[in-house]
Amino acid sequence: EVQILESGGGLAQPGGSLRLSCAASGFNFRNYVMSWVRQAPGTGPEWVSGISGNGESTYYADSVKGRFTISRDNSQNRLYLQMNSLRADDTAVYYCAKLDGGDWNWPLDYWGQGTLVTVSS
Amino acid sequence: DIVMTQSPDSLAVSLGERATINCRSSQNVLNSSNNKNFLAWYQCKPGQPPKLLLYWASTRRFGVPDRFSGSGSGTDFTLTINSLQAEDVAIYYCQQFYSIPFTFGPGTKVEIK
Repeated sequence: EVQILESGGGLAQPGGSLRLSCAASGFNFRNYVMSWVRQAPGTGPEWVSGISGNGESTYYADSVKGRFTISRDNSQNRLYLQMNSLRADDTAVYYCAKLDGGDWNWPLDYWGQGTLVTVSS
Repeated sequence: DIVMTQSPDSLAVSLGERATINCRSSQNVLNSSNNKNFLAWYQCKPGQPPKLLLYWASTRRFGVPDRFSGSGSGTDFTLTINSLQAEDVAIYYCQQFYSIPFTFGPGTKVEIK
């Protein structure tokens, strides 16, 4: 059974940092592209970042480029999102999600329950 | 970036009736090499993560009831819920996975009339 569990959310001040973590199990983690998707209150999902199975390719939404860094540890089946220079509009539930295939052009088939990030002074 | 739009914003349908949701992409999401539309539909209920319903525009994910169906190609797509059930009350989002950044539509809220 595929399981995805995020952690690391919480309250951060504007300009501050947080590191999100995602623990995955039930599938061959290293074979799949992984993504972070966020959903602010009352809005639709927003794709934030993605990373290839071997970690060599990464992509970001323009809204987070230069501030967020995605990474993965395939030996631990973990995905990370380092978030720096946080802004109020980064406030959202952040989901870790698995793509349904080994390359980029696949839908998001499994999602964690999400971790809430609140940026406020 | 590919912009996704949806219509209507919300709709109320009687139990057992049909709900139809439209999605449009600002660019073609049909891959000519494999003739697949890189378009997915998700169901979102309060307090839960989005749930993948259909992909390739019309392929139902395992376990999804067959009252959910998808159609369309290129830039115009439709999600149809036949014989609406109470548990189908949710917000439905389309998403393109043709080009990065992958983008979602603004959502359509489905309620019971």
